[in-house]
This record gives sequence, C-alpha cells and structure tokens, in this order.
Amino acid sequence: GAVVSQHPSWVICKSGTSVKIECRSLDFQATTMFWYRQFPKQSLMLMATSNEGSKATYEQGVEKDKFLINHASLTLSTLTVTSAHPEDSSFYICSAVKGTGLTFFGQGTRLTVV
Amino acid sequence: QQQVKQSPQSLIVQKGGISIINCAYENTAFDYFPWYQQFPGKGPALLIAIRPDVSEKKEGRFTISFNKSAKQFSLHIMDSQPGDSATYFCAASKQAGTALIFGKGTTLSVSS
Repeated sequence: GAVVSQHPSWVICKSGTSVKIECRSLDFQATTMFWYRQFPKQSLMLMATSNEGSKATYEQGVEKDKFLINHASLTLSTLTVTSAHPEDSSFYICSAVKGTGLTFFGQGTRLTVV
Repeated sequence: QQQVKQSPQSLIVQKGGISIINCAYENTAFDYFPWYQQFPGKGPALLIAIRPDVSEKKEGRFTISFNKSAKQFSLHIMDSQPGDSATYFCAASKQAGTALIFGKGTTLSVSS
C-alpha cells in the first residue's frame, strides 16, 4: 500500500476561528488529492478535488470560500475551514491518487467546533 | 439520486462464516470499483478493486464478484473473523484515480 498522513488527527476550535488540516502523501507523489466529509455512521461525501498547481474543484453545495483548499506541492494539500461553526463539526478525510490510479486515504481529522 | 446503492446496512455473521455485501450502480460510465474497510475513527483502507472486464477477483479471503449486465458487484469475505468487524464501503468511479462515489456502507459484526 501507500501512506497518506493527515494532521492533526483531531482538533477542537472555538466558533468563528479557522482551522487548517494537512494531507501528505508520504511515499509517493500525488497530482490529485480529494477531500471528503463524513458524518457519524454515514458515508463519505466528496467535497472537492485538489490538483497540484491549480484551483480546487468543489462539489455542488460546498462553499469554496469557507473550505479553502491549497495543493501547493505534489505531496501536500491543505484544507482550511474558515470561520468555523458547530455545524462544521465532522470527520474530514483526504485521499491521494498514486501513479497506478489507486486511491489511498488518510486517517481522517475529527473537527469539533465549540 | 444515489449512484451507488449498497446493502445490507448491517450484517451479523458467525466466526468462520461468509460475509456477503452487495452493491448496484446506475452510471454505465463507471469503470473502477473498489471496496474499502473502515474502523471507527480511522480513514478507509483499500481492500480490493475490480474493473468491468473481469467477473471475479480474489485476494486472500476477499473476493469481488462483478456482473456487468446487471450493474452489480459484491464483496465476499470468506472465513470471517472478529477482526473483520468494521464498516465496508463499495465505491465507483469513471476511471481509477478519479473521484470515488461511495455506497452508504455496511456495518459488519463477526461474532466469536
């Protein structure tokens, strides 16, 4: 397999503040990364597609000004939740595509907004 | 519109038994069908994947069966073990490396 690392694993922040989540492919380069959101006991919902060196593509209904995505290098994509509110509390998971086409997921980040 | 339908929602199997999870898809443009295993609080881990030109793929105790005409595919876990207790997701995409559309998941409990 391949290793995709997310940081932090969990974070608690105050309402109105911003939180940055990092997603790194540790042993391969990924031109494409994806960000998903998962509510308890539910499936993964695609938020956006992140391509290295270009603007992210957001799914319908996802606010691009609220969920800022930056794919600065072939091994790092970041998701910043701006002006977080309690309804943004969720499990955020990134995935990275290896050259073979296989998609590997990070361990997820539990965001709690209080 | 749910593009990938997964059943059952939950499944209880005795140790040593066979666990079977089914998925159906609508979009004939889908060309890549992986299965993921997820433990609580963790990200999904790739188990096995198949493409439509193959009707069956086996890796260890895990087998995918694929029926292109019926637009269905299933995961079989042979000799199920308590350590297999997790949530399983089927997924589909238009090609490997593109965005995955997930089923709703199946929570598997293997009793010892």
